[in-house]
Amino acid sequence: EAQVTQNPRYLITVTGKKLTVTCSQNMNHEYMSWYRQDPGLGLRQIYYSMNVEVTDKGDVPEGYKVSRKEKRNFPLILESPSPNQTSLYFCASSLGRGLSGYTFGSGTRLTVV
Amino acid sequence: QQQVKQSPQSLIVQKGGISIINCAYENTAFDYFPWYQQFPGKGPALLIAIRPDVSEKKEGRFTISFNKSAKQFSLHIMDSQPGDSATYFCAASGVLTGGGNKLTFGTGTQLKVEL
Repeated sequence: EAQVTQNPRYLITVTGKKLTVTCSQNMNHEYMSWYRQDPGLGLRQIYYSMNVEVTDKGDVPEGYKVSRKEKRNFPLILESPSPNQTSLYFCASSLGRGLSGYTFGSGTRLTVV
Repeated sequence: QQQVKQSPQSLIVQKGGISIINCAYENTAFDYFPWYQQFPGKGPALLIAIRPDVSEKKEGRFTISFNKSAKQFSLHIMDSQPGDSATYFCAASGVLTGGGNKLTFGTGTQLKVEL
């Protein structure tokens, strides 16, 4: 089954404790992206990657890091999480520009206390 | 900076009625306008999309109307059903300088279809 897999689904952590949210896709998509979803703000792009070793900032990159060492994986790293990073995170992938649609993962609900 | 403005924030429609969600964009470089549907606990999924060279696209009960001069587009759900109850996001996409791609979302509309 073609899918984007995120782990974990739920995570509660403490301020300052480094964490990684993994994202993997099995569709050989070049393009991958991370979004955060907050009430009233919709989905905002954090980082995106056009291909292996090519990443760039989205609209809200502060406090996040990403890497794209393999085509299928695009982990999101929070080096020192803060409470304002409490959110619902989605990884997405697409073929090329995504004109046939982005495939989203099921989301990771992160709480930073 | 909100480049895609969506309204209303929430919408209640009776079964069989028409649901209408509106979006407006600012960046004339956008050239692809999809709508995504999201059910609770799930990621958004592509519902329907339009390019700016057409004014309307219909897929089943779902229709996008596009007004390029006004920089507005809307989603119409005909004969709305309880199973349509979900959050709907409009979005706009354009090629960035350097060849990258960016999909910018609206703030979402929570639709509830009542019996």
